[in-house]
Amino acid sequence: AQTVTQSQPEMSVQEAETVTLSCTYDTSENNYYLFWYKQPPSRQMILVIRQEAYKQQNATENRFSVNFQKAAKSFSLKISDSQLGDTAMYFCASRTGTASKLTFGTGTRLQVTL
Amino acid sequence: GAGVSQSPRYKVAKRGQDVALRCDPISGHVSLFWYQQALGQGPEFLTYFQNEAQLDKSGLPSDRFFAERPEGSVSTLKIQRTQQEDSAVYLCASSLALAGGLYYFGPGTRLTVT
Repeated sequence: AQTVTQSQPEMSVQEAETVTLSCTYDTSENNYYLFWYKQPPSRQMILVIRQEAYKQQNATENRFSVNFQKAAKSFSLKISDSQLGDTAMYFCASRTGTASKLTFGTGTRLQVTL
Repeated sequence: GAGVSQSPRYKVAKRGQDVALRCDPISGHVSLFWYQQALGQGPEFLTYFQNEAQLDKSGLPSDRFFAERPEGSVSTLKIQRTQQEDSAVYLCASSLALAGGLYYFGPGTRLTVT
């Protein structure tokens, strides 16, 4: 079974600053995928970034990047130059290579302030 | 439509009533997923369809929950004899295929059982 743990229920960052959200996971599989999703108050779950476990290079999408530490089973999200529109719940999720379902963490509520 | 749509967006049911929640996936997406998201929690997997075949229903919490996708497009999640613990947001997601795990989520239906 897979588990995903997010130990920061809430985080706050000032506009234009950088913030890192933590995530650890546990899986016995060798082939798996990791994701960060953003869920604004509208509830629409939006994919922020994804990482294939077999790739050593950390994924980057514009202001969003991950620090993937496979041995430590850690998958943190760094948001640079934070914007007010980044305010949302952020969920870390995993999926094995052969499974269909995503396993989510409990989320981190990020507030970006002026 | 451009994205996954769900209806209704909000549903209030009295305990014991039956409800039906609808999901319209992105046209051509073969995979469809239902998730349940309790307040303050991450989404939990309920069931998965590939076209009209329900390949995984391991997450359905009880036999009061039933999902179908008879023509491989629109899906309905039915909850019979609703209980207060069924109160949650029900998210639908679709994917063109399993590979890459690019799931597109709908806005969800918030079910409140009184």
